[in-house]
Amino acid sequence: KNQVEQSPQSLIILEGKNCTLQCNYTVSPFSNLRWYKQDTGRGPVSLTIMTFSENTKSNGRYTATLDADTKQSSLHITASQLSDSASYICVVSFGLNFGNEKLTFGTGTRLTIIP
Amino acid sequence: NAGVTQTPKFRILKIGQSMTLQCTQDMNHNYMYWYRQDPGMGLKLIYYSVGAGITDKGEVPNGYNVSRSTTEDFPLRLELAAPSQTSVYFCASRDTGSSYNSPLHFGNGTRLTVT
Repeated sequence: KNQVEQSPQSLIILEGKNCTLQCNYTVSPFSNLRWYKQDTGRGPVSLTIMTFSENTKSNGRYTATLDADTKQSSLHITASQLSDSASYICVVSFGLNFGNEKLTFGTGTRLTIIP
Repeated sequence: NAGVTQTPKFRILKIGQSMTLQCTQDMNHNYMYWYRQDPGMGLKLIYYSVGAGITDKGEVPNGYNVSRSTTEDFPLRLELAAPSQTSVYFCASRDTGSSYNSPLHFGNGTRLTVT
């Protein structure tokens, strides 16, 4: 069964601190993995995508990693800001047909930054 | 560009009532999707469309119907509302013409309560 598990479920950190969110998946055949940020009351917005051949990718203060062998990804946030308070959702794409890939969504990590 | 626009933002229905959740996008995306998001669960796919006139069922289609008469619009119909349909509904679109790895673009959701 294709599954995506995220940890922790929730996290509270002080402004300016770093944090790392985890995503483990059992999806097959793997196509790509994407991290989305979902602010309260809004739809998810894509942060970054990881394909099979990529190990690390940065987008500003966000750095995503992928280990395709262990089927794990992480999202590291550096020097957190109050605006980083949101849910972070890991989404894994699987399937071999262009444009008709299936997506499995994780349940998200709720991150709260306190001043 | 407005992106993906969903209306209404909030709605309360009585059991057995019907309603249509509206979704429109101005990005000329060919693929469109309806998801529901329940507390503690990952987003679940209800229906999707690969282009005008073409729709297909997702993971949880029971109790819903869709149509896609134009590229821009993808309404979701609830015929006989049930308490199990209480959820937040997200419409999304995707441009599969330019990139295999293109992201989903989400609307800001419709929060539906059935009592």
